[in-house]
Amino acid sequence: DGGITQSPKYLFRKEGQNVTLSCEQNLNHDAMYWYRQDPGQGLRLIYYSQIVNDFQKGDIAEGYSVSREKKESFPLTVTSAQKNPTAFYLCASSNSRPQGIYGYTFGSGTRLTVV
Amino acid sequence: AQKVTQAQTEISVVEKEDVTLDCVYETRDTTYYLFWYKQPPSGELVFLIRRNSFDEQNEISGRYSWNFQKSTSSFNFTITASQVVDSAVYFCALSDLETSGSRLTFGEGTQLTVNP
Repeated sequence: DGGITQSPKYLFRKEGQNVTLSCEQNLNHDAMYWYRQDPGQGLRLIYYSQIVNDFQKGDIAEGYSVSREKKESFPLTVTSAQKNPTAFYLCASSNSRPQGIYGYTFGSGTRLTVV
Repeated sequence: AQKVTQAQTEISVVEKEDVTLDCVYETRDTTYYLFWYKQPPSGELVFLIRRNSFDEQNEISGRYSWNFQKSTSSFNFTITASQVVDSAVYFCALSDLETSGSRLTFGEGTQLTVNP
C-alpha cells in the first residue's frame, strides 16, 4: 500500500546531540513537508520541499535542517541549536499543481524527547 | 496574513449527542481551500474534507456535515449522533494559493472526547 513512513516512532536525544528523523513516501508525490506539533499549539511548519534538491524554510526553521536528494525521501535533522526540541514531528506529502488542493497525506509521526 | 482559529480547545459530549466544531479563517485571497483533518490517538492525521472558496454548498457524508459560510469566514464541522470512535483531535486548515502557495495553515485543533 502507498503511504508515508516515518521512523523511528520514538526517539530520545541527549543535550547537544544532533538527531535525524526519517520520512519516506511511495506515493510519487512532488512535495513534502515537516510539521512540529506541541500541545495546544496546532501544527507549525518547519521546512517544505516542492521538488528534488530544493526546499524552503517554514515558520520555525531555526535549529533544523533538511535535504531532498531523492523524491521519496525528506529527512529532518534536529540540531543542537534547537533549544526546545521535545515535540511530536509529522511528515506530509502532496501532489497536484497547485499543491494543497487535494490535501496532504501524513505519516504516523515521530515523538522526540530530550533526556 | 492567513490564519485559522479554532476557539474550542476541548469538547466533551456523551455518546449519541450532536457536536459542532467551529473554525474561523482569515485570508486576503479570493481563491483558497479549506480542510478538516482528524487526528486519532495513534497520531496520524486523516483527511476528512476539502472545500474550495467558490463552492458554498454544505456537504454531508454519513454522520459528518460541514457548513461553509464566506460571509462569516467560517467552516464548521458537525458530527451527528457522536460515537466513542469519534474521539480525536480535529484540525481545520487553510490553503490560500496566492499568499502561501502549497502550504497549509492549521488551527490549534479541538480535542473531542465522546463518553459512553
